[in-house]
Amino acid sequence: NAGVTQTPKFQVLKTGQSMTLQCAQDMNHEYMSWYRQDPGMGLRLIHYSVGAGITDQGEVPNGYNVSRSTTEDFPLRLLSAAPSQTSVYFCASSSTMGGYGYTFGSGTRLTVV
Amino acid sequence: LAKTTQPISMDSYEGQEVNITCSHNNIATNDYITWYQQFPSQGPRFIIQGYKTKVTNEVASLFIPADRKSSTLSLPRVSLSDTAVYYCLVARNKLSFGAGTTVTVRA
Repeated sequence: NAGVTQTPKFQVLKTGQSMTLQCAQDMNHEYMSWYRQDPGMGLRLIHYSVGAGITDQGEVPNGYNVSRSTTEDFPLRLLSAAPSQTSVYFCASSSTMGGYGYTFGSGTRLTVV
Repeated sequence: LAKTTQPISMDSYEGQEVNITCSHNNIATNDYITWYQQFPSQGPRFIIQGYKTKVTNEVASLFIPADRKSSTLSLPRVSLSDTAVYYCLVARNKLSFGAGTTVTVRA
């Protein structure tokens, strides 16, 4: 099993550009989430989904959109990139929401110039 | 979200036991306590989860007192490869990671 796959691994954007970070899991997990991690900081929750068609906001949702049309995929869209969105982005999935056994992807390192 | 407090950093030597205590004074009745480990340039990895008393697996032990306002992650006989950031989390629906505890194991 591949687990959680994130693409791309690295990306450089210019301010104002938009892009989509991809996240796919092959474990049939209902719960998926997106985090960002700034240097020397913990992970902050951006958006999460408890199943196909259901999404909700986390701590830092501004500037990001998500949708969940299938169980497998949970893309994160940056609408108009800003330097403050320079960060490492992690996607995670789990069969439950209570924190048990989250599987994380390897991350996308995004730089906005 | 229940707020958690844990030390910023801890140093240890190979072969020693490392204990990291996390405070979570406003933990709710239904909340579980979960610990994750993160190596540089990787996503966090689940270590252990518990609700009360003691939980042990092949990697670590988790001690939770009766009032559940704190918990202690115990890493037995650490090695250099245990150098990582350790996160304590308490949440029912959303998981938020604080800054974690950076554990540095020296030879």
